[in-house]
Amino acid sequence: DAKTTQPNSMESNEEEPVHLPCNHSTISGTDYIHWYRQLPSQGPEYVIHGLTSNVNNRMASLAIAEDRKSSTLILHRATLRDAAVYYCILRDTTNQFYFGTGTSLTVIP
Amino acid sequence: NAGVTQTPKFRILKIGQSMTLQCTQDMNHNYMYWYRQDPGMGLKLIYYSVGAGITDKGEVPNGYNVSRSTTEDFPLRLELAAPSQTSVYFCATRDTGRGNQPQHFGDGTRLSIL
Repeated sequence: DAKTTQPNSMESNEEEPVHLPCNHSTISGTDYIHWYRQLPSQGPEYVIHGLTSNVNNRMASLAIAEDRKSSTLILHRATLRDAAVYYCILRDTTNQFYFGTGTSLTVIP
Repeated sequence: NAGVTQTPKFRILKIGQSMTLQCTQDMNHNYMYWYRQDPGMGLKLIYYSVGAGITDKGEVPNGYNVSRSTTEDFPLRLELAAPSQTSVYFCATRDTGRGNQPQHFGDGTRLSIL
């Protein structure tokens, strides 16, 4: 099973961009990279996913390294509501998702 | 739409008791998942189902059982509760159509075994 490695915590000032890194050196060619976030006392919420190309949606951007061994979630302007634990997850061909411990993002007003 | 509904929200059990955690969805998704989340940790997959009548083990299935008789319901059963099963349990669903689909999570069941 593929695993991911993320920093335990990060801080950002409000209205500044945030780059959340993730390493997945054992990723296989068919594993999708998913990002979810979890606010306190809530279930995880989908943010974005990709396979090889960079992806953008209304919440964030996902930059995937050319060798796919790492990726970066980009929040373009952090708000206080973005304070959460962010999980970088791999989905394998058996449709199982592997969560790590995530990165706890603090947004400073 | 209610989405993914989990009941109960909170429960305290004594060691050795049994209980069923309920998960119901109204999105007609084929895939359903059960995760547990221990304090300060990420989610670990217990069981999952790709459709009615089909279930499979995840990373941490010991001490749990599941069934999937309908598309809507995916209950998780604890037969002999142990303190190590104190955790927050999340149910999730996923659609199989139109490429790689995200999971949709319920709000969780907080379970304490004393």
